[in-house]
Amino acid sequence: KAGVTQTPRYLIKTRGQQVTLSCSPISGHRSVSWYQQTPGQGLQFLFEYFSETQRNKGNFPGRFSGRQFSNSRSEMNVSTLELGDSALYLCASSSSPNYGYTFGSGTRLTVV
Amino acid sequence: GIQVEQSPPDLILQEGANSTLRCNFSDSVNNLQWFHQNPWGQLINLFYIPSGTKQNGRLSATTVATERYSLLYISSSQTTDSGVYFCAVDPDFGNEKLTFGTGTRLTIIP
Repeated sequence: KAGVTQTPRYLIKTRGQQVTLSCSPISGHRSVSWYQQTPGQGLQFLFEYFSETQRNKGNFPGRFSGRQFSNSRSEMNVSTLELGDSALYLCASSSSPNYGYTFGSGTRLTVV
Repeated sequence: GIQVEQSPPDLILQEGANSTLRCNFSDSVNNLQWFHQNPWGQLINLFYIPSGTKQNGRLSATTVATERYSLLYISSSQTTDSGVYFCAVDPDFGNEKLTFGTGTRLTIIP
């Protein structure tokens, strides 16, 4: 069974640009959530999608957005990139919260 | 929101030693997981353990939900056990998201 797949693995963008990250969940998992990891703030919840609907959103500015497609794949978008957006972005999928979450390998974004 | 505290923040041990990592949380939870973050950043799920005790090889975990803490035990440590260990909880009021602790950085010296 394939795990959670995130693409790309690494990304370098210039301040002011926008970026789109992709996450393919484990087959059959309908819940996809996104997390940002930085040295200063640790791991923080961004948002969670279930059946194409955003169910929860963390405390991030509106520049951070996401969506989920009918096949459960999810994308997150960050517009008008700032240096502080440099981070490891992790995606997790779950069949049910009662079974826990499985994480992908992450996308490491560097904003220069 | 719920607070998650992990201790100790850093732990340096000789290969073969045993260790205990602790996670305290401030409110009831319906999910608690332990993760090991490898050098490439991936969070590897070790245990899903909202309550009770589980074992997997040299690793075991115990969660005492009524007292709001969880312990991760690592026996006969190996250098491959090095890395950061995170405890993450899902608060027990319907918001399906994980709140992470700040982690314990474990370094195993050969």
